[in-house]
Amino acid sequence: NAGVTQTPKFRVLKTGQSMTLLCAQDMNHEYMYWYRQDPGMGLRLIHYSVGEGTTAKGEVPDGYNVSRLKKQNFLLGLESAAPSQTSVYFCASSPSPVAYNEQFFGPGTRLTVL
Amino acid sequence: AQSVAQPEDQVNVAEGNPLTVKCTYSVSGNPYLFWYVQYPNRGLQFLLKYITGDNLVKGSYGFEAEFNKSQTSFHLKKPSALVSDSALYFCAVRDRDTGGFKTIFGAGTRLFVKA
Repeated sequence: NAGVTQTPKFRVLKTGQSMTLLCAQDMNHEYMYWYRQDPGMGLRLIHYSVGEGTTAKGEVPDGYNVSRLKKQNFLLGLESAAPSQTSVYFCASSPSPVAYNEQFFGPGTRLTVL
Repeated sequence: AQSVAQPEDQVNVAEGNPLTVKCTYSVSGNPYLFWYVQYPNRGLQFLLKYITGDNLVKGSYGFEAEFNKSQTSFHLKKPSALVSDSALYFCAVRDRDTGGFKTIFGAGTRLFVKA
């Protein structure tokens, strides 16, 4: 099993450009998450999904959109990139029951917005 | 509101010495507690978790953590540190009574083990 994979690994954008980050998991997990990691701030939840076709806002959703058309994929979109969105983005998944199960993380996408 | 505090930005320890990475938490209900490790340019990897029962939890790579309800702490420990343990460590908490699957992560503690 590949676990959780993310594409691309690195990306540089100019302010105002858009892009989509792809997350895929092959563990048949119901729950998927997008986090951003900034120095000294730990991980902050952007959006999450509790199943195919469902999405919800997390702690810092502004400027991002998501879609979960297939159970194994969770896409994160930046509509109009801003320098404040420079960060490392991690996708994660977890099985049910979710409350006491750990999350499985992808390797991350390092995004720089100029 | 849920919160996690990792009071040390960095912990330095000599190889072979015991290590402790501290974590305290705040939840309105009872907690599920987790430790994750992040190596350079990698995603977070699960180390161990406390769900219920024995307060001493054993995990991967020889790590263990002790749940202390009265002190609301969940410190990560290892009896003998290795240079390869050098990494960024995150404590995380879920409120089992009210928080559902929402996980709060600490800011992280960088562990540096010197040979």
